[in-house]
Amino acid sequence: LAKTTQPISMDSYEGQEVNITCSHNNIATNDYITWYQQFPSQGPRFIIQGYKTKVTNEVASLFIPADRKSSTLSLPRVSLSDTAVYYCLVGDRGAGNMLTFGGGTRLMVKP
Amino acid sequence: DAGVTQSPTHLIKTRGQQVTLRCSPKSGHDTVSWYQQALGQGPQFIFQYYEEEERQRGNFPDRFSGHQFPNYSSELNVNALLLGDSALYLCASTPGTGVYEQYFGPGTRLTVT
Repeated sequence: LAKTTQPISMDSYEGQEVNITCSHNNIATNDYITWYQQFPSQGPRFIIQGYKTKVTNEVASLFIPADRKSSTLSLPRVSLSDTAVYYCLVGDRGAGNMLTFGGGTRLMVKP
Repeated sequence: DAGVTQSPTHLIKTRGQQVTLRCSPKSGHDTVSWYQQALGQGPQFIFQYYEEEERQRGNFPDRFSGHQFPNYSSELNVNALLLGDSALYLCASTPGTGVYEQYFGPGTRLTVT
């Protein structure tokens, strides 16, 4: 399984755009990149998934460069309620759905 | 549409005891996975159940066992509890195996004293 590296923590202010970058140098050809969000005392929640280039949904965008050795989760105009831990996961969707979580990035949004 | 539910919410046990945690998957989902999350760390995969059988297993000892019922609900059993088993236990469900978007329940907070 590809190992991922993310910043341990980040601070931002309401209304700003937040970009969280994840490094995955040994990503395999069949691996997808998935991001989850977790609030205290709750289970993680799926945010977005992608394979290459850019993916956008109603809550976030995911940017993946051509070499796929890193990815960036972009949260537009964050609010206080976006304060959470964000996990980057890399894995083969066809190999079952055993998720491997790292330490995640603790995002603190300030007023 | 009810999401993933888990019971109990909190549990306090003594070292050496046994515990059973329960999970009901999201409607329409037939695959259940269990995760252990220690304080300040990411969730760690314990095992996955599909068609009432354990399909995948993480790096956890045999003290951790499970079961899936015909209605797709699942139980996680932990025997001979250790202090290090204190954690948030999360259940996640999917419509089949090989699906990366998992729906997690709120978890059961287990404290071993």
